[in-house]
Amino acid sequence: GENVEQHPSTLSVQEGDSAVIKCTYSDSASNYFPWYKQELGKRPQLIIDIRSNVGEKKDQRIAVTLNKTAKHFSLHITETQPEDSAVYFCAAFTGGGNKLTFGTGTQLKVEL
Amino acid sequence: DAGITQSPRYKITETGRQVTLMCHQTWSHSYMFWYRQDLGHGLRLIYYSAAADITDKGEVPDGYVVSRSKTENFPLTLESATRSQTSVYFCASSGAGTSDPDTQYFGPGTRLTVL
Repeated sequence: GENVEQHPSTLSVQEGDSAVIKCTYSDSASNYFPWYKQELGKRPQLIIDIRSNVGEKKDQRIAVTLNKTAKHFSLHITETQPEDSAVYFCAAFTGGGNKLTFGTGTQLKVEL
Repeated sequence: DAGITQSPRYKITETGRQVTLMCHQTWSHSYMFWYRQDLGHGLRLIYYSAAADITDKGEVPDGYVVSRSKTENFPLTLESATRSQTSVYFCASSGAGTSDPDTQYFGPGTRLTVL
């Protein structure tokens, strides 16, 4: 089955700096890659996603890039703010059963 | 987000007891999922359902039972709870035939403690 690896597990940045979280996947048939943000004690919420026919997608301060050849995708957050502090999960869509396989998460801390 | 709810939100039980976690969605989504979240493991799929009366195992199904007699409900039962099942459980749904059929929306979670 699909395997998703996510790095780093923790990331600390200064307010205003950029943050990058990277994920790799194993199943070349995966075609949909969402990113979820989970604040402490809350549910995961979708923040951005990308499909395999697109190389990059941007939404205000967040962007996602996809390299199908290398089977990796990344989340980029620019001009980080304290409210960006959370756990971020990447995932890959395996198609069969509409299933998502999640990475193990990145704890992002934005320091003042 | 209000379209998918879970109950109870918190539950404490003892080893060996049966526990049922409820999940209800109002979107008529065809797919529903149960995940458990543990530190260091992220979100792991327990069971999923493509439609009423259709269920299948995920990554970590042992010790769990599901049913789906109605599209909107997807209960998860721990038949004989063990301490290793202490976790936060999330239900999610996604809708084939909607504008974003692959997107999964999560419920608020149930924090289960097995003593």
